[in-house]
Amino acid sequence: EIVLTQSPGTLSLSPGERATLSCRASQSVSSNYLAWYQQKRGQAPRLLIYGASSRATGIPDRFSGSGSGTDFTLTISRLEPEDFAVYYCQQYGSSPRTFGQGTKVEIK
Amino acid sequence: EVQLVETGGGLIQPGGSLRLSCAASGFTVSSKYMSWVRQAPGKGLEWVSVIYSGGSTYYADSVKGRFTISRDNSKNTLYLQMNSLRAEDTAVYYCQVEMPTMGRDYWGQGTLVTVSS
Repeated sequence: EIVLTQSPGTLSLSPGERATLSCRASQSVSSNYLAWYQQKRGQAPRLLIYGASSRATGIPDRFSGSGSGTDFTLTISRLEPEDFAVYYCQQYGSSPRTFGQGTKVEIK
Repeated sequence: EVQLVETGGGLIQPGGSLRLSCAASGFTVSSKYMSWVRQAPGKGLEWVSVIYSGGSTYYADSVKGRFTISRDNSKNTLYLQMNSLRAEDTAVYYCQVEMPTMGRDYWGQGTLVTVSS
C-alpha cells in the first residue's frame, strides 16, 4: 500500500497569498496518477487536479499541480476567500488507492 | 446530467450488515470506474473500494473480506454490501464516478452509517 504524507498539516495564510501544499508518497506513484481534492465542511470533495498536473474541468487557473514519482505539490497562486478549505491528495495508480491525511488552509 | 444518489445508511449494531445503494443517472454504471469513499466524523477521507468497467474490484485492507462492491446494470446502481460492521466503520459513505473524458468526477451527497450498540 502506498502511504501519502501531506505537509504541512495546517497552513495559515491571508487572502492574496500563495499556498504551497506537499504530498509525498512512500513509493513511486504509477503513471503519476495523483489527484488533488478540495473539501469544505459538509460537502463532498471536489476534484482539482488529476494526473499530477492536469486541471479538472471548471477549476480556476490559480490552482496548479506539479511533481512526479514520489513528490507532488499543489500550488494556489493567490488565495481567494473561497479557497480556505481542506485539501487531500490521492493516488489512483495502484490498488488499494489511498488518500493523504489532508492539509487545512485557514485564514491567518 | 450526471447524478449520484446514495441511500441505505443508518444506525446498525456492531456485527450487523447493511447495504448501501448509489443510484446513477446521466451515464451507465457498467461503463465507468466507480468507487466508495468514506469519512469518519471529523476525520479525513478514506478510500474503501473500486469497481472497474471490466468488473475487477479492489478493497482497502480495513474492509477486505467484510465489504463487497457490486453493480446492477439493469437498475444502473452501485452497491456496497457491508458485513461484520465495527464501530470504526462509522462514517459518511460517498460514491464517486470517474469521467476522464470530461476531465472531472462526480460525487454523491453521502449517506451516514453509524455502528453503535
